[in-house]
Amino acid sequence: EAGVAQSPRYKIIEKRQSVAFWCNPISGHATLYWYQQILGQGPKLLIQFQNNGVVDDSQLPKDRFSAERLKGVDSTLKIQPAKLEDSAVYLCASSGWTSGGGDTQYFGPGTRLTVL
Amino acid sequence: SQQGEEDPQALSIQEGENATMNCSYKTSINNLQWYRQNSGRGLVHLILIRSNEREKHSGRLRVTLDTSKKSSSLLITASRAADTASYFCATGGAGSYQLTFGKGTKLSVIP
Repeated sequence: EAGVAQSPRYKIIEKRQSVAFWCNPISGHATLYWYQQILGQGPKLLIQFQNNGVVDDSQLPKDRFSAERLKGVDSTLKIQPAKLEDSAVYLCASSGWTSGGGDTQYFGPGTRLTVL
Repeated sequence: SQQGEEDPQALSIQEGENATMNCSYKTSINNLQWYRQNSGRGLVHLILIRSNEREKHSGRLRVTLDTSKKSSSLLITASRAADTASYFCATGGAGSYQLTFGKGTKLSVIP
């Protein structure tokens, strides 16, 4: 079974620029999550999708972050404009009933963002 | 704020020794999970224990859960150099499948 795919793996941008991350979840997984992991900390949930609908985006800084999951499969997370404090690893995860039950989340390798 | 707090923050042991990491949390949970993260990579699910379970085993891993103390422990027996990683506990509430992660324990296993 293919895992969660993310791209790019690394991105370096200047502050005030925009950036987008892409995620392709495990086939058949209805739930998709985006996390932000700052160095030395655990992942923090930004947004959760169920199919193509948003379940929870309470911790997403909506003035600069946006995310969508068109057709309930792939998802993109965008930051515009980026700030220095956005430097982090952005992790995508998915969960579903195809394996492991709905509680287990499967993570992609992450995108490491550096904002200069 | 993060739900789980792992203890210790860092742990260094010799290969073959056992490693124990603890996790405390604040609110009631549906399940508690442990994940491993190797340097620069995504998280890998290790084990899930539900709130009505007290102990669970998977290979060299043993997890305990004490809901009265709101705490869990992860024991890795006969550690290997390949176990070097950060270990995170994550708590799950009922119905939403959301997880709240702690800051992690950084384990170093010295060959």
